[in-house]
Amino acid sequence: NAGVTQTPKFQVLKTGQSMTLQCAQDMNHNSMYWYRQDPGMGLRLIYYSASEGTTDKGEVPNGYNVSRLNKREFSLRLESAAPSQTSVYFCASSMDRSYGYTFGSGTRLTVV
Amino acid sequence: GQQLNQSPQSMFIQEGEDVSMNCTSSSIFNTWLWYKQDPGEGPVLLIALYKAGELTSNGRLTAQFGITRKDSFLNISASIPSDVGIYFCAGQRAGNQFYFGTGTSLTVIP
Repeated sequence: NAGVTQTPKFQVLKTGQSMTLQCAQDMNHNSMYWYRQDPGMGLRLIYYSASEGTTDKGEVPNGYNVSRLNKREFSLRLESAAPSQTSVYFCASSMDRSYGYTFGSGTRLTVV
Repeated sequence: GQQLNQSPQSMFIQEGEDVSMNCTSSSIFNTWLWYKQDPGEGPVLLIALYKAGELTSNGRLTAQFGITRKDSFLNISASIPSDVGIYFCAGQRAGNQFYFGTGTSLTVIP
């Protein structure tokens, strides 16, 4: 039972490069989320998808885009990476927005 | 965004001791969750609380939904080395996203 799978686990980018973080869940959950975790800041919501076909901005959406490819997959794209986007990124899913989330193991991104 | 304040920020305790931590908000929440994050991993759900005053246990862990609905508490009894990690609270108003606290880092000294 994989749960939420994120790829890659580690990534180093140069400023201005682009990349897509992948996330897939096998629990038939409706809702999916992208968070970033920075020291002393806790988890902050970037974007979420309440159900297949919908996406909405969270607290810190600037510099990111998302795609809910299907019910299982929710990707996060950085079009032009900046050092301020150095962080640990977590994908999560839940049956719906009222339920607790299941998190992936994270992607550690460094932008130099 | 919504601010959830967790206290204390960090704790260093001896194995076998009990642990208490709390989470406070300026807003009323309908749901409180407590998560634990091990180093290099994502947070894992420990306890969910859905009603003011609710007291719920999961093994040695007990969490309470505060009466004012603006706070929640987590207690760990008889701590063991594997309790080490960061504990996060998360609160939700109806139909909204969950907001996460900044975490309490727990170190257990054998």
